[in-house]
Amino acid sequence: ETGVTQSPTHLIKTRGQQVTLRCSSQSGHNTVSWYQQALGQGPQFIFQYYREEENGRGNFPPRFSGLQFPNYSSELNVNALELDDSALYLCASSFGHEQFFGPGTRLTVL
Amino acid sequence: QKEVEQNSGPLSVPEGAIASLNCTYSDRGSQSFFWYRQYSGKSPELIMFIYSNGDKEDGRFTAQLNKASQYVSLLIRDSQPSDSATYLCAVNAGGTSYGKLTFGQGTILTVHP
Repeated sequence: ETGVTQSPTHLIKTRGQQVTLRCSSQSGHNTVSWYQQALGQGPQFIFQYYREEENGRGNFPPRFSGLQFPNYSSELNVNALELDDSALYLCASSFGHEQFFGPGTRLTVL
Repeated sequence: QKEVEQNSGPLSVPEGAIASLNCTYSDRGSQSFFWYRQYSGKSPELIMFIYSNGDKEDGRFTAQLNKASQYVSLLIRDSQPSDSATYLCAVNAGGTSYGKLTFGQGTILTVHP
């Protein structure tokens, strides 16, 4: 157990809808990163938040957005869902180089 | 060329054997290197990280890094059926990319009794 929690565990949405995923970081970790993992692939970096500011972004469109709160928990928001957004969404918390992943949220877009 | 490339699997080894997992990366400025294990339906779990050239050992696991060859590997000694999983290599470029991990596609390892 890493101490990183994510909610919900599973989610089913339809194309065009919006979704919010949540992450609570491990105690003492001030940095949260979000990744998307398609089936059979390695995780892909979406963005990272450090002390409530976006601190780096991967090759994802602006409809992927996020927030970090003063307690270092974080949200990932995805607007105008597309079928290709179906994936496992992983949150990782860190204090330094090593990143520890939460259990993930499985999003299915129909 | 992919940024991080792992040896294609799946890899199958008998129980008790040494499993060798390999990874190459394209960014010569990469600073830190990680191996994660991911069981089916679960999230990645950090096994080891390495920053300096050479070997780093932790129990049955040894990570090897060769920055000149842009190559990192993971050896698993005395492989057990419970080691059967997907192994992910991840690279942190450092600098302005600090915090961004770039992952390979993973290598599926099966340890058979």
